[in-house]
Amino acid sequence: EIVLTQSPGTLSLSPGERATLSCRASQTVTTYLAWYQQKPGQAPRLLIFGASSRATGIPDRFSGSGSGTDFTLTISRLEPEDFAVYYCQQFVSSPPWTFGQGTKVEIK
Amino acid sequence: QVQLVESGGGVVQPGGSLRLSCAASGFTFSSHGIHWVRQAPGKGLEWVAFIHSDGSHKYYVDSVKGRFTISRDNSKNTLFLQMNSLRAEDTAVYYCAKDRGAMAGHSDYWGQGTLVTVSS
Repeated sequence: EIVLTQSPGTLSLSPGERATLSCRASQTVTTYLAWYQQKPGQAPRLLIFGASSRATGIPDRFSGSGSGTDFTLTISRLEPEDFAVYYCQQFVSSPPWTFGQGTKVEIK
Repeated sequence: QVQLVESGGGVVQPGGSLRLSCAASGFTFSSHGIHWVRQAPGKGLEWVAFIHSDGSHKYYVDSVKGRFTISRDNSKNTLFLQMNSLRAEDTAVYYCAKDRGAMAGHSDYWGQGTLVTVSS
């Protein structure tokens, strides 16, 4: 099973600042990686798939990069609605398709 | 618009059974695989099960193999999760989530979830 490790666990930032979230895989997933956003009491929302492709309706302040084992989600300028928990998920080959443990982006 | 609506959650005793349903609309159900993903209270996301668009392939996380069964009825646009021999550690919100393709491995739309509580 591929293990995804996200860092940091919590990121404390102010609106307007840049957020950089990391996801590291225990073995290569090439670019088979997705990012999701989850707000309290809500279902997750797909942000990025294929490591760098934005999902439908996702603002361009969200960007994904990386390949192999190291990936980054960047939010260029935090808006108030961006404070949430973010998860990465790998979907290389066959299941299980595992998630990282999440990074919480909180208001400083 | 795409909608996924889960139902069937509730409180059940350890060792008991529960059947979850997920009613889908707004897309061609028979063209997409569907996932079940769960989230224990205050915890992260855990992928649980997947069924291919035509039902030909089914996959499970190791912790539920032999206890949970995923199935679908493409004529009724509905997904099911039969959960037997439930344990306290199965307590979670269960989400059904539409795969981006037949078996892409990730989900572009999610339901709002149904809470399953296993407790005596």
